[in-house]
Amino acid sequence: EVQLVESGGDLVPPGGSLRLSCAASGFTFSSYWMTWVRQAPGKGLEWLANIKQDGSEKYYVDSVKGRFTISRDNAKNSLYLQMNSLKAEDTAMYYCARVELERQGTYHYYYMDVWGKGTTVAVSS
Amino acid sequence: DVQMTQSPSSLSASVGDRVTITCRASQSVTSFLNWFQQKPGKAPNLLIYAASTLHSGVPSRFSGSGSGTDFTLTINSLQPEDFATYYCQQSYVAPATFGGGTKVEIK
Repeated sequence: EVQLVESGGDLVPPGGSLRLSCAASGFTFSSYWMTWVRQAPGKGLEWLANIKQDGSEKYYVDSVKGRFTISRDNAKNSLYLQMNSLKAEDTAMYYCARVELERQGTYHYYYMDVWGKGTTVAVSS
Repeated sequence: DVQMTQSPSSLSASVGDRVTITCRASQSVTSFLNWFQQKPGKAPNLLIYAASTLHSGVPSRFSGSGSGTDFTLTINSLQPEDFATYYCQQSYVAPATFGGGTKVEIK
């Protein structure tokens, strides 16, 4: 069964740090781009970061650039999100997701086709 | 960033109804448009990608259309398990951005 399981969420004070993990199983992890998406309580979805199969390319949304770092360990089938200088507005459910790429004609579409159940991060004093 | 605007933000419908949700992009995203369904307390599930391609395992009552800036998700013959929040998402321009969601409630 294809599965993603996040862990590491916690209650942390403003300015604190946290490292989220995402364990992948049931598919060849090293063959896929991976991504993190978050959802603040009662709010919509926000894409945070992408990482290429070999970790050589990483992209971030401006709101977390310089504070969050996405990484992966293909030998451990694991994705990570190191979060530093946390703010109250980082309070959210954090999801990892697999990114599928599909070619249709001249286009290469990408979409998040497998999601974990999420892990909760709360930033508060 | 590309702004994605969904309408309506919520709607009430009955089992068996046909439901249409609209998503508008602030600039063209060609056909790089995905739709997700999210139930309370659960992760999003992919329904449609590339504007109109049904993801594997998704019932055929779901369909997507549109290109450029205007897109539509249609649910034919709404089922009890379809009551949820639906999000559109563009993947044409970085960063990928989501619409604000449309909550489909039971009338």
